[in-house]
Amino acid sequence: QSVLTQPPSVSAAPLQKVTISCSGSSSNIENNFVSWYQQLPGTAPKLLIYQDNKRLSGIPDRFSGSKSGTSATLAITGLQTGDEADYYCGTWDSSLNNVVFGGGTKLTVL
Amino acid sequence: QLQLQESGPGLVKPSETLSLTCSVSGGSISSSGYYWGWIRLPPGKGLEWIGSLYYSGTTHYNPSLKSRVTISVDTSNNQFSLKLSSVTAADTAMYHCARHLWATALAPFDYWGQGTLVTVSS
Repeated sequence: QSVLTQPPSVSAAPLQKVTISCSGSSSNIENNFVSWYQQLPGTAPKLLIYQDNKRLSGIPDRFSGSKSGTSATLAITGLQTGDEADYYCGTWDSSLNNVVFGGGTKLTVL
Repeated sequence: QLQLQESGPGLVKPSETLSLTCSVSGGSISSSGYYWGWIRLPPGKGLEWIGSLYYSGTTHYNPSLKSRVTISVDTSNNQFSLKLSSVTAADTAMYHCARHLWATALAPFDYWGQGTLVTVSS
């Protein structure tokens, strides 16, 4: 199983807001930066958020990241059908000496 | 625009060695500002980091795969490669190469190849 825990799926209506959680521990999320990736169907993962809350250039401000203790959250506002994708959190684990990811969350825009 | 492209066999027999190459265009793999890595996505599972390297040859591997993995660089051809030995069905996955955002294996991946599906089966 993945070191970081994400809900398997979330859903919301167009124009609404959705949050995706990523739970870890003191050896990963709490003491290392978290990143978030979006994987649209049939495409490579795309970096959205790095260093917990920084948006990569070109990423709309509808996407935001936050972190508190051993958990991180990706929020997406103003949902669009084009946001339907798998979302992954990732970070470094200082105990495992390993890049670790969550199992992924499938976002459905109803 | 930086582009990465994976290449290699799509089918590998159990116990054999999986070999993939990542060709980089639109930028130099010898640039001092970046690490380069391999990540895989097994069917129905989450992303798994395999390992990363710097153009100088410095490597970092996932401890759970370290005994079977070799990642190497070919700066003259602007490529880096992955070898995974003694494969089993559990190694069946989409394999992606990617660039780290800056020069450490701790950095996130900002450019990704489209991926290549490798199936381990006899």
